[in-house]
Amino acid sequence: SAVISQKPSRDICQRGTSLTIQCQVDSQVTMMFWYRQQPGQSLTLIATANQGSEATYESGFVIDKFPISRPNLTFSTLTVSNMSPEDSSIYLCSVEEVGNRGYNEQFFGPGTRLTVL
Amino acid sequence: AQSVTQLGSHVSVSEGALVLLRCNYSSSVPPYLFWYVQYPNQGLQLLLKYTSAATLVKGINGFEAEFKKSETSFHLTKPSAHMSDAAEYFCAVGWGASKIIFGSGTRLSIRP
Repeated sequence: SAVISQKPSRDICQRGTSLTIQCQVDSQVTMMFWYRQQPGQSLTLIATANQGSEATYESGFVIDKFPISRPNLTFSTLTVSNMSPEDSSIYLCSVEEVGNRGYNEQFFGPGTRLTVL
Repeated sequence: AQSVTQLGSHVSVSEGALVLLRCNYSSSVPPYLFWYVQYPNQGLQLLLKYTSAATLVKGINGFEAEFKKSETSFHLTKPSAHMSDAAEYFCAVGWGASKIIFGSGTRLSIRP
């Protein structure tokens, strides 16, 4: 199963600034996903990032606010731009891969806990 | 639109007691149903996945879930709770592994 790391693990930022979150996978994967988990809430998919193409954003999320890069099959970044306190969340990346149970699964990174003051 | 509803944002059981976490999906049966667990300060981990091969699905850590079409339910159970089971549990629906919609989550607490 894929091992995923994220940097930073947490950060405290000032409103109006931007933060870039990195996601590194230990194997080559086609599909990577970025989620937001607001305090006390469930996960919401922000976008799907496939290598070699533009990210596909879900309703309510736009590229200007959450630009995503996917330069190769093991790495992706999510930028949270012009931050406001409402952006305070945990941001998780995930990948789709065949797990040890023999079917496709999503494997999740540990998340980046962002606080915007 | 497809969705899942988790009944009870917080469930507390005694160590050794039965764990029952409830999940209902919207009326059209999705191809896949999932239960994920999130331990404190960690990412999500897949507990089990329903793929229509069997209505009773066994997962990791002694958990299992039963798909009941007549009740549109996919409740998660474990016969005997352990302190290490304390975590947030998410029910989800999906079409393959790519498009997953998560429920609101249930926080499970275990009393000594």
